[in-house]
Amino acid sequence: SAVISQKPSRDICQRGTSLTIQCQVDSQVTMMFWYRQQPGQSLTLIATANQGSEATYESGFVIDKFPISRPNLTFSTLTVSNMSPEDSSIYLCSVEFGINTEAFFGQGTRLTVV
Amino acid sequence: DAKTTQPNSMESNEEEPVHLPCNHSTISGTDYIHWYRQLPSQGPEYVIHGLTSNVNNRMASLAIAEDRKSSTLILHRATLRDAAVYYCILRDGVGLWAGGTSYGKLTFGQGTILTVHP
Repeated sequence: SAVISQKPSRDICQRGTSLTIQCQVDSQVTMMFWYRQQPGQSLTLIATANQGSEATYESGFVIDKFPISRPNLTFSTLTVSNMSPEDSSIYLCSVEFGINTEAFFGQGTRLTVV
Repeated sequence: DAKTTQPNSMESNEEEPVHLPCNHSTISGTDYIHWYRQLPSQGPEYVIHGLTSNVNNRMASLAIAEDRKSSTLILHRATLRDAAVYYCILRDGVGLWAGGTSYGKLTFGQGTILTVHP
């Protein structure tokens, strides 16, 4: 199992600024995932972060807008850059231990851009 | 990833069983069927998963059709705490590899909003 802590839990930011979201896991994991959940919508995968390599982004998401760091096997950050009100969403990190296992999610970071 | 189709919403009464259907007619032989639920203001929570055979755990049962083109999540006795959005997801068994382990991305659909009445 895994317990995931995300920081901050929520924030209100000015447009044009950047916010870095931290994801800490209580065990070592190879693969971490970052999701976005826009208001009233389902979750959309932003990128996959494998420790020791560049993150892999899904269609519609780019590194300049959502840079990801993965410095070790228990930690990752997602930065939302040059924010606009359209970036107001919940951002969640997730980990798993293989295709035939369950995925664990953090509680999410609720971001409001004004 | 293959797509799933779920009803937008369902209702149940407390203490009654709930059957949440999911269609996945384009499922491939390597796709695992996963169910997650999301309670209000929380991250998704794993419920159950399976490949071909029916599965039971302390939370629910998963009934998989013989042709694997549909499945049903069964909550045996609904409680008010089961009110959530339930997502049926196919995880591609030919996905990401790292360190000799295969991983699978979760592609969330819109899910089924389950309302439980007291």
